[in-house]
Amino acid sequence: AQSVTQLDSQVPVFEEAPVELRCNYSSSVSVYLFWYVQYPNQGLQLLLKYLSGSTLVESINGFEAEFNKSQTSFHLRKPSVHISDTAEYFCAVSGEIQTSGSRLTFGEGTQLTVNP
Amino acid sequence: KAGVTQTPRYLIKTRGQQVTLSCSPISGHRSVSWYQQTPGQGLQFLFEYFSETQRNKGNFPGRFSGRQFSNSRSEMNVSTLELGDSALYLCASSLGVRGNTIYFGEGSWLTVV
Repeated sequence: AQSVTQLDSQVPVFEEAPVELRCNYSSSVSVYLFWYVQYPNQGLQLLLKYLSGSTLVESINGFEAEFNKSQTSFHLRKPSVHISDTAEYFCAVSGEIQTSGSRLTFGEGTQLTVNP
Repeated sequence: KAGVTQTPRYLIKTRGQQVTLSCSPISGHRSVSWYQQTPGQGLQFLFEYFSETQRNKGNFPGRFSGRQFSNSRSEMNVSTLELGDSALYLCASSLGVRGNTIYFGEGSWLTVV
């Protein structure tokens, strides 16, 4: 079985400050890792994903996440946030296809609020 | 190309009724999954269909069911609605191969009164 823990339910920051949203996972098999963002009254949008290769993955809007296998973590970071980054962020894992297909297991979510 | 389309976006039902939600996946995608999102339980996987067959199922009672048609469109049905079924129901589509990007629709907001 897989599980995902997002260590902070709410993260308030000021505009242009750096931010880190923390995510830890547990799984008995190798996993793929994802970060999704949800703006109010909308569905989920993929921010970035780790499949294999370089442990540092980047998104087009300045976010990055680093896969750390020894610490089973996949923290999301941004060096300078904008008001428009205010949203809920979800970390998710996908396990072996034999048991999970396209199934994602999500963390509880982290509400990022960027204040002026 | 068009994204994942869910209908209806908002609906209100009475306890004991049933509801059917519809999802049209991205063209070419054969996998459709359904998730329930509530403030208390977060995002929970309901089931996944691939080429008209249920490939995976979450831990929900039998009142929750789904199906997929030959054109990959999917429906989910909830019978004998309970107040606790009030939630945002999200449909997601992908090519169905592990690691493929999973795209979500805007969701259907169900309120049970």
